[in-house]
Amino acid sequence: DAGITQSPRHKVTETGTPVTLRCHQTENHRYMYWYRQDPGHGLRLIHYSYGVKDTDKGEVSDGYSVSRSKTEDFLLTLESATSSQTSVYFCAISDGTSGVYNEQFFGPGTRLTVL
Amino acid sequence: KQEVTQIPAALSVPEGENLVLNCSFTDSAIYNLQWFRQDPGKGLTSLLLIQSSQREQTSGRLNASLDKSSGRSTLYIAASQPGDSATYLCATLDEGNYQLIWGAGTKLIIKP
Repeated sequence: DAGITQSPRHKVTETGTPVTLRCHQTENHRYMYWYRQDPGHGLRLIHYSYGVKDTDKGEVSDGYSVSRSKTEDFLLTLESATSSQTSVYFCAISDGTSGVYNEQFFGPGTRLTVL
Repeated sequence: KQEVTQIPAALSVPEGENLVLNCSFTDSAIYNLQWFRQDPGKGLTSLLLIQSSQREQTSGRLNASLDKSSGRSTLYIAASQPGDSATYLCATLDEGNYQLIWGAGTKLIIKP
């Protein structure tokens, strides 16, 4: 299994508070991704990173920001959490030897509940 | 815009049967197609990736095929076991894009 961990694994927070989720990899892969998974919507890309300090928006980036200061860590921040951001968040990585077109490997997920 | 469909949404079969899961896509300009399994409350496990230039990939009891011209991929599971029970997802990576486009999944139950 690819070495990907996510923290925390579960979090309950209140509307309006900032929340940061962490993805850590030990594979030295270039690309990292944040997805959310919701019933009826499947998986949707929030942001992705193609290198240290290089990030771009995905399909559902509003209300989220990301940072990548080291190869191994990719942080997702909900600037002011809303109930619509209650979801399961997955981090994924790919090695980028063929650009962005490589096999993606997923972390265990973080279940976030915003009350 | 690419659309990925998986039919059926759910499938229940007795242990030992060979079975086929289907994935169809509307735009044949894909770079690759990936199959995943997801266990309840867990993350996604990559099963097989087929590049657009390939016709099939095999891993153990799993075989995935790709027919770009017809917009179809199938995942064949041989000699199914209760441990194969999970939701199976397919996703395409389109040429010139960076986002995986996902099917809704097929929930598979293997009855002992």
